[in-house]
Amino acid sequence: KQEVTQIPAALSVPEGENLVLNCSFTDSAIYNLQWFRQDPGKGLTSLLLIQSSQREQTSGRLNASLDKSSGRSTLYIAASQPGDSATYLCAVRQGDYKLSFGAGTTVTVRA
Amino acid sequence: SAVISQKPSRDICQRGTSLTIQCQVDSQVTMMFWYRQQPGQSLTLIATANQGSEATYESGFVIDKFPISRPNLTFSTLTVSNMSPEDSSIYLCSVAVREGLGTDTQYFGPGTRLTVL
Repeated sequence: KQEVTQIPAALSVPEGENLVLNCSFTDSAIYNLQWFRQDPGKGLTSLLLIQSSQREQTSGRLNASLDKSSGRSTLYIAASQPGDSATYLCAVRQGDYKLSFGAGTTVTVRA
Repeated sequence: SAVISQKPSRDICQRGTSLTIQCQVDSQVTMMFWYRQQPGQSLTLIATANQGSEATYESGFVIDKFPISRPNLTFSTLTVSNMSPEDSSIYLCSVAVREGLGTDTQYFGPGTRLTVL
């Protein structure tokens, strides 16, 4: 069974600092990995999707890397802003469309 | 991409009653899913909603407790039956959309926050 772990569970940084969020998974036979953002009491917003054959994806201030062989992904958020405060979830998909989620990293960016 | 709406957005219910949650997608999609997020926890897949046939349930979830309908490719309902306080969660509808070069991205609805007293 796929186990997904996210470290740290919570992170507080001053505005402008870069954020580094880690995700690890136990079964490297994945189809893709997706990073989501969740605001309190709300649904999930898709941020980045990395296919298993890719090493990284970028969107604006966000960059996600994937090392499938070691079972790791990292989400980098450059020059953090208070609006980046949210919970960030990583999810891995194996062949059948089912997503296995980590518990999330709750980020607070202090103004 | 896909835009997903859910109704209701939240509800407070008495134990022993049932609630039906609706999920509407703005385009036809093959793959539609229902997830549960219990307080302070991450998401757990309840079932895959199959159009024209019975839903496929994950371990620990049964049809009698969580009946699902999928009458067409844009709509699904999830019913939480005979509710207890342990059913208090956010319930989320999700779809998988193919977006070129074989990439399947999953999108989520805004969720339904259920509180059972």
